[in-house]
Amino acid sequence: GNSVTQMEGPVTLSEEAFLTINCTYTATGYPSLFWYVQYPGEGLQLLLKATKADDKGSNKGFEATYRKETTSFHLEKGSVQVSDSAVYFCALRENTGGFKTIFGAGTRLFVKA
Amino acid sequence: DTEVTQTPKHLVMGMTNKKSLKCEQHMGHRAMYWYKQKAKKPPELMFVYSYEKLSINESVPSRFSPECPNSSLLNLHLHALQPEDSALYLCASSQAPPGGNEKLFFGSGTQLSVL
Repeated sequence: GNSVTQMEGPVTLSEEAFLTINCTYTATGYPSLFWYVQYPGEGLQLLLKATKADDKGSNKGFEATYRKETTSFHLEKGSVQVSDSAVYFCALRENTGGFKTIFGAGTRLFVKA
Repeated sequence: DTEVTQTPKHLVMGMTNKKSLKCEQHMGHRAMYWYKQKAKKPPELMFVYSYEKLSINESVPSRFSPECPNSSLLNLHLHALQPEDSALYLCASSQAPPGGNEKLFFGSGTQLSVL
């Protein structure tokens, strides 16, 4: 079945450091890929998305590129802020059958001032 | 209005109680979802409604009973729950028909504790 694998956390960085959170997926067909972010005590919010190979999603300084050849969708940010501290979920949405959204395990990010 | 509103925010119930969780959106979305999220885990899909009809039930125990009375409302009726059902219950919606690249809009969730 389809699945998403993310790097384990927590990830702890100093403010202004470079962030990479790795995400790889297994899927039949051509899923859409997403990064969602969850702040403490809240639901998930869409951070960015990409719907086909080589698409780059970007938002609030975060970027991720849909790489079909490596089945990856790694999240990057050039300079993190304390306010970026949250849990980040990589997800894929099936384009056939039940059209489910499947989430990775989540990566907790702590950014220190 | 791009919000999904869930009530209550917190709920404590005994194993013999009957309670309901409510979810509302006014974005015109015709697909609505219930997810369960345990601490430090990803959300797990429970149910999907598409055009007010149940389209996916992920083998959820019958003590959870979903209901979609109209295109804006989604309920989850709870009865005879177990302590292991304690979790954050998230409602989400998306444009319909479900498929392709529709993003999910999530509510803030109901934190449920079963004693």
